[in-house]
Amino acid sequence: SQKIEQNSEALNIQEGKTATLTCNYTNYSPAYLQWYRQDPGRGPVFLLLIRENEKEKRKERLKVTFDTTLKQSLFHITASQPADSATYLCALDLYNFNKFYFGSGTKLNVKP
Amino acid sequence: DADVTQTPRNRITKTGKRIMLECSQTKGHDRMYWYRQDPGLGLRLIYYSFDVKDINKGEISDGYSVSRQAQAKFSLSLESAIPNQTALYFCATSMGDQSGLNEQFFGPGTRLTVL
Repeated sequence: SQKIEQNSEALNIQEGKTATLTCNYTNYSPAYLQWYRQDPGRGPVFLLLIRENEKEKRKERLKVTFDTTLKQSLFHITASQPADSATYLCALDLYNFNKFYFGSGTKLNVKP
Repeated sequence: DADVTQTPRNRITKTGKRIMLECSQTKGHDRMYWYRQDPGLGLRLIYYSFDVKDINKGEISDGYSVSRQAQAKFSLSLESAIPNQTALYFCATSMGDQSGLNEQFFGPGTRLTVL
């Protein structure tokens, strides 16, 4: 079965630094991978999607990479701010089937 | 107004009771999903529906059933609630077009406690 791993330990960084979160997966070959942000007590909010044939995607201070050989995606937040503190989830789909598997998320704490 | 709404937002019930969680959306999306979230386990897919006549089991469908009453409404039922169904439940929708974007839009969640 598909397994998605995100670091369960919280990531604590200083404001202004770059935060890097990791998503690893086993088995299968997802057509694309998504990243979501979740604040306490709220539903996840979509941030970025990267397709299997894309190495890197950027949106403002966010950058996602996708290495299908390593079966890994990295999610970067540059010039991090306290408002970026949240839990970040990765989700992958099995070849456009729209059946999503989510990682358990990594909590990011950005300290002023 | 919220695009994806869930009712109730909080519910406490007893073992053996039948519970229905409701989800409504105004996004006009065909695809709807039910997930549960437990600490340390992330979101797990319970059921999903690609249109009114298409309903599919997800990873953890045992003990749950669903009904897609209309394009905009997707309900989750716990036929006989048990304590290990205590969790945060989310409904989500997606457009389901062929571009592959298919971002999911989540509701605010229902916190269910089964005593």
